[in-house]
Amino acid sequence: QLQLRESGPGLVKPSETLSLTCNVSGASISRSSYFWGWIRQPPGKGLEWIGNIYYTAVTNYSPSLKSRLTMSVDTSKNQFSLKLTSVTAADTAVYYCARPTGAYCTGAICPFDNWGQGILVTVSS
Amino acid sequence: SSELTQPPSVSVSPGQTARITCSGDTLAKKYAYWYQQKSSQAPVVVIYEDSKRPSEIPERFSGSRSGTMATLTISGAQVDDEADYYCYSSDNIHNYVFGSGTRVSVL
Repeated sequence: QLQLRESGPGLVKPSETLSLTCNVSGASISRSSYFWGWIRQPPGKGLEWIGNIYYTAVTNYSPSLKSRLTMSVDTSKNQFSLKLTSVTAADTAVYYCARPTGAYCTGAICPFDNWGQGILVTVSS
Repeated sequence: SSELTQPPSVSVSPGQTARITCSGDTLAKKYAYWYQQKSSQAPVVVIYEDSKRPSEIPERFSGSRSGTMATLTISGAQVDDEADYYCYSSDNIHNYVFGSGTRVSVL
């Protein structure tokens, strides 16, 4: 059974880089035809799509975060990662990694239906 | 980038029908999906491809889309349906967007 688990520092200083990793178990990243994604949710606010990455390292980023965002994949460790530079308090959120199972895809459009538990990252000095 | 707008809150009594709207230009061409999120747990898909329901989701959940608006309907809402609901779609093949979210209260 596919399991996703986010890891990384829970506290990041303003202007620094937020780095998170999603560790995947129960499935091989390199055998997945679906993308792997990141979503975040500021405390008390709504969900925001951050971006997706395929095992080939092809990425798609949210236009609002694109200038600060880098996603990468490490198939040897079966994990994928996110780096967000120049963070501010507005980047404080629970960050989820997730992947579609494919059960609910319509053509190339897929909702995420496998989610990690989420990790709270606070940006504060 | 595209936006999907939802009402912040909907309140109904148990047994009544709750309707949550989601509006955005992208819905004129793209399917709508709906998530339910309880108490900051990971979201769960309750409707996909506008109106299809996963097998584990109760029949009281239904969805529709017309023009630039999608609607999630909970017929005979129950206290257990209290949650935040988010619509979701794509503005092109590669970029995705969540709606602003609606808090449903059943009381």
